Amino acid sequence: QSDLTQPPSASGSPGQSVTISCTGTSSDIGYYNYVSWYQQHPGKAPKLMIYEVTKRPSGVPDRFSGSRSDNTASLTVSGLQAEDEADYYCSSYAGSNNVVFGGGTKLTVL
Amino acid sequence: QLLESGGGLVQPGGSLRLSCSASGFTFSTYAMGWVRQAPGKGLEWVSLISSSGGATFYADSVRGRFTISRDNSKLFLRVNSLRVEDTAVYFCARVVWSGSYRFDSWGQGTLITVSS
Repeated sequence: QSDLTQPPSASGSPGQSVTISCTGTSSDIGYYNYVSWYQQHPGKAPKLMIYEVTKRPSGVPDRFSGSRSDNTASLTVSGLQAEDEADYYCSSYAGSNNVVFGGGTKLTVL
Repeated sequence: QLLESGGGLVQPGGSLRLSCSASGFTFSTYAMGWVRQAPGKGLEWVSLISSSGGATFYADSVRGRFTISRDNSKLFLRVNSLRVEDTAVYFCARVVWSGSYRFDSWGQGTLITVSS
């Protein structure tokens, strides 16, 4: 069982938007502005997509955006494309030099 | 670029030493870490070492059994007293720690299989 809770699956058609949630507690997501999101294609290494809740690393399309409300963070993918089909993981700083991850969400592009 | 090595098949109670070779960035200025992924499962943070090597941190699940270290261009993870539940792909990652706590570059991973 993971420290952060994500839905196991999400889906959308090309061009649509989809939002993936990540629920933690007032000791992690709700306390720190240190939520990150990672994309992982099968058999590949994870790739950082969002950090510090809303920031995008250079090279990540602006179709990817992050937000947070109370103890829940969200990743929104707009204008879905076939290459967005992957597993997505959230993470949060939880204090005491500890990072926790969510269990992952498999995004399917229909 | 990060490239891991050293994984393999090991019996319960055994040991291994994982290595991660870094290139393309100034290694000494970054914290580094290990994240693992059990087969078909999610990501789990394992350990972190500061840029100087002077500070190390571990997940509760591995503290006392795993040891992280680094030299001028490589990251290491010594894994002792291995358990079946340590079976996973171990990823080396560059870390932006204080003030961000993000893993911004990852290796391809090396697989440890713990089985009798």
